[in-house]
Amino acid sequence: SQKIEQNSEALNIQEGKTATLTCNYTNYSPAYLQWYRQDPGRGPVFLLLIRENEKEKRKERLKVTFDTTLKQSLFHITASQPADSATYLCALVRNTDKLIFGTGTRLQVFP
Amino acid sequence: SAVISQKPSRDICQRGTSLTIQCQVDSQVTMMFWYRQQPGQSLTLIATANQGSEATYESGFVIDKFPISRPNLTFSTLTVSNMSPEDSSIYLCSAETSPGGNEQFFGPGTRLTVL
Repeated sequence: SQKIEQNSEALNIQEGKTATLTCNYTNYSPAYLQWYRQDPGRGPVFLLLIRENEKEKRKERLKVTFDTTLKQSLFHITASQPADSATYLCALVRNTDKLIFGTGTRLQVFP
Repeated sequence: SAVISQKPSRDICQRGTSLTIQCQVDSQVTMMFWYRQQPGQSLTLIATANQGSEATYESGFVIDKFPISRPNLTFSTLTVSNMSPEDSSIYLCSAETSPGGNEQFFGPGTRLTVL
């Protein structure tokens, strides 16, 4: 069955540093991969989408890479801020528009 | 983009009863989905709500337990039937404004506790 793994433990980093989150998947070849942010008590909010034929995507302080050979996506937040503290979810997209979510990684940025 | 609201935001229910959750989108959307998120866990897709036809359920979820309606392009309901404490969870709806694996917009969720 399809499996999507993210760092299960919380990631704690200091303000100003770059946070790197990992998403690994098995048994599937997704057409797209998406990253979402989720704050406590709220629904996920879309951040970035990367297609299988794209290696890298950027949006402001965010960068996503997608390596279909390694079956891995990396999500980077540069110059991190305490306001970036949240849970970050990766999601694979099947050809039917359905999202399969990873386990999520909680990021804590401290001053 | 799309703004999604859900009602109720939370509820506490007795075992054996049913609860209907409403999802309203502020614009017409192509796809609507229902997810479950158990405490501390990620999101699991329950079903795709199809406008004008029966919902498409994922493995492990059945229509008798989670009947879904989608009467038009902006509204859907999910009913959790014959509830047990194991149904305690957050239920979220989402919408996709254009097909093709594009971003989904999520509602704030409905927190359900079953006693």
